[in-house]
Amino acid sequence: AQSVAQPEDQVNVAEGNPLTVKCTYSVSGNPYLFWYVQYPNRGLQFLLKYITGDNLVKGSYGFEAEFNKSQTSFHLKKPSALVSDSALYFCAVRDSASKIIFGSGTRLSIRP
Amino acid sequence: EAGVAQSPRYKIIEKRQSVAFWCNPISGHATLYWYQQILGQGPKLLIQFQNNGVVDDSQLPKDRFSAERLKGVDSTLKIQPAKLEDSAVYLCASSVAGAVISETQYFGPGTRLLVL
Repeated sequence: AQSVAQPEDQVNVAEGNPLTVKCTYSVSGNPYLFWYVQYPNRGLQFLLKYITGDNLVKGSYGFEAEFNKSQTSFHLKKPSALVSDSALYFCAVRDSASKIIFGSGTRLSIRP
Repeated sequence: EAGVAQSPRYKIIEKRQSVAFWCNPISGHATLYWYQQILGQGPKLLIQFQNNGVVDDSQLPKDRFSAERLKGVDSTLKIQPAKLEDSAVYLCASSVAGAVISETQYFGPGTRLLVL
């Protein structure tokens, strides 16, 4: 059965420092991986996705994610964090045989 | 381009009452999704429509939840009767076709339901 895990409930980073939000997954076929961000009282906003090809995917707001097949991971990264990046981040996965499944979310807090 | 619209934004009801949520997807999007997001959890798919047909409702509690998309555009999700554990945010999303596995879904702001 497919699954996705976000091992950290919260990540705290100082503004200007690099940030990483972790995601690991399990699927039976080829994975399709997504990152979404949720601001308070808002719906989810799409950041980026991995389909195939280059393992480094670039997305909105300067975010990028690295697909690592051997470690079954798809960590979200940004070289320099902004206070405005503070939000709830969700990793999601699906394969060709199943519906999309979301992780439990990681709250990112950027301190000035 | 207008986004996914949902109403109401907030709803408070007592258990055993009924409630309905409305969603209008992005114009031209054939696929519509309803998700339930319980506090502290990621969204869980309840039902997926392709035009006005149901593609997946395997996680919809059919004894109390129902949904329809009669004209293949907007959709209504109903809970009757509501239970305390139905307290959650109900998210509607849409995508262009839905048949492409990698397709991006666009989410509305959600309806926050509190059942007392």
